[in-house]
Amino acid sequence: GDSVTQMEGPVTLSEEACLTINCTYTATGYPSLFWYVQYPGEGLQLLLKATKADDKGSNKGFEATYRKETTSFHLEKGSVQVSDSAVYFCALSEDSNYQLIWGAGTKLIIKP
Amino acid sequence: NAGVMQNPRHLVRRRGQEARLRCSPMKGHSHVYWYRQLPEEGLKFMVYLQKENIIDESGMPKERFSAEFPKEGPSILRIQQVVRGDSAAYFCASSLMGQANQPQHFGDGTRLSIL
Repeated sequence: GDSVTQMEGPVTLSEEACLTINCTYTATGYPSLFWYVQYPGEGLQLLLKATKADDKGSNKGFEATYRKETTSFHLEKGSVQVSDSAVYFCALSEDSNYQLIWGAGTKLIIKP
Repeated sequence: NAGVMQNPRHLVRRRGQEARLRCSPMKGHSHVYWYRQLPEEGLKFMVYLQKENIIDESGMPKERFSAEFPKEGPSILRIQQVVRGDSAAYFCASSLMGQANQPQHFGDGTRLSIL
């Protein structure tokens, strides 16, 4: 079945460092891909999405490009801030299905 | 606040009691999804409802769990005779349409603790 694999956390970086959180997926069809962020004690917020190959989603300085050839959707940011500390989830949904399939989440800790 | 509203934020129950979790979708949304998040894990789909109808409950445990989304009022996730293993965060999401590329908007969750 479909699945999402994220790099294990926690990922600890200093402020202004570059960030990459890896996400790869397996799917039978042509999924839509999402990154959600969960701040401590809160629900999930949609960060960005891409619905077809080579699409780039971007928001709040974060970017991710839908790479069909490598089945990946890595999250990147050029310069992280302490306020970016959160858990980041990669997720997919198949064309024919509304269910979101989730990665296990990657905890990001940014130190001042 | 026009977002997805869940209540209560925290719920404590003793084994054998009932837990009722409520979710009001975003204004204008008629599609509701429930997910469960166990500690240190990602979310797992439980059930998808559209007004008055259960569309897909393939992720719901066969016993003790039920969900509804009445014509009027919030969606309710009900857990009867709770056990320790039911301790988790339960998230509700809503969408405008029930399609794969439509983003699901999430509430802040209900954190259920079973004593």
